[in-house]
Amino acid sequence: DAKTTQPTSMDCAEGRAANLPCNHSTISGNEYVYWYRQIHSQGPQYIIHGLKNNETNEMASLIITEDRKSSTLILPHATLRDTAVYYCIVRAKTTQGGSEKLVFGKGMKLTVNP
Amino acid sequence: NAGVTQTPKFRVLKTGQSMTLLCAQDMNHEYMYWYRQDPGMGLRLIHYSVGEGTTAKGEVPDGYNVSRLKKQNFLLGLESAAPSQTSVYFCASSYTWTGYGEAFFGQGTRLTVV
Repeated sequence: DAKTTQPTSMDCAEGRAANLPCNHSTISGNEYVYWYRQIHSQGPQYIIHGLKNNETNEMASLIITEDRKSSTLILPHATLRDTAVYYCIVRAKTTQGGSEKLVFGKGMKLTVNP
Repeated sequence: NAGVTQTPKFRVLKTGQSMTLLCAQDMNHEYMYWYRQDPGMGLRLIHYSVGEGTTAKGEVPDGYNVSRLKKQNFLLGLESAAPSQTSVYFCASSYTWTGYGEAFFGQGTRLTVV
């Protein structure tokens, strides 16, 4: 699976949009971009994933550039509860199964300030 | 629906002792994973399984063994615990790549080896 690069940390004001960047310049055509987050010492939580089109769900939006070499996770109205470590992962999907490994990097710490 | 359950939640071991961590999922997932997380670090994959009776090594497999005798259970064993294995251990499970890809995590097992 392709490697991802994220900033180490980022701050955001409560109520503002938080834009979390991720670079995945070696991503291949069958690899999806996944985002997870880990609040305090809890188990990580799935947020969203996408291939090449922008995606939105009740938690966040995912914007993937046209060349798919980078993406941005958007939390439209950040709250204090969004303070967490956010992980960007790329993972392959094929019709016969995909990359079985699920490998996390160090992630990015988002701090939402009052 | 319990999701992913890890047993125990906390444990203190003496160096050289052995123990088994149990991960149970009730979502009929094929894939299961064991991770460890050390302070300031992301999650590192120890071992994983793509189905009942199968196991494979992850990024940091040394000192650990695993078994997947039943689809719903994934066991992580420490034969001779060392202080370097003091960590928080997370288990996860996911579907294969036929339709879904997100992984579900347990709440973690905090292990201290003295």
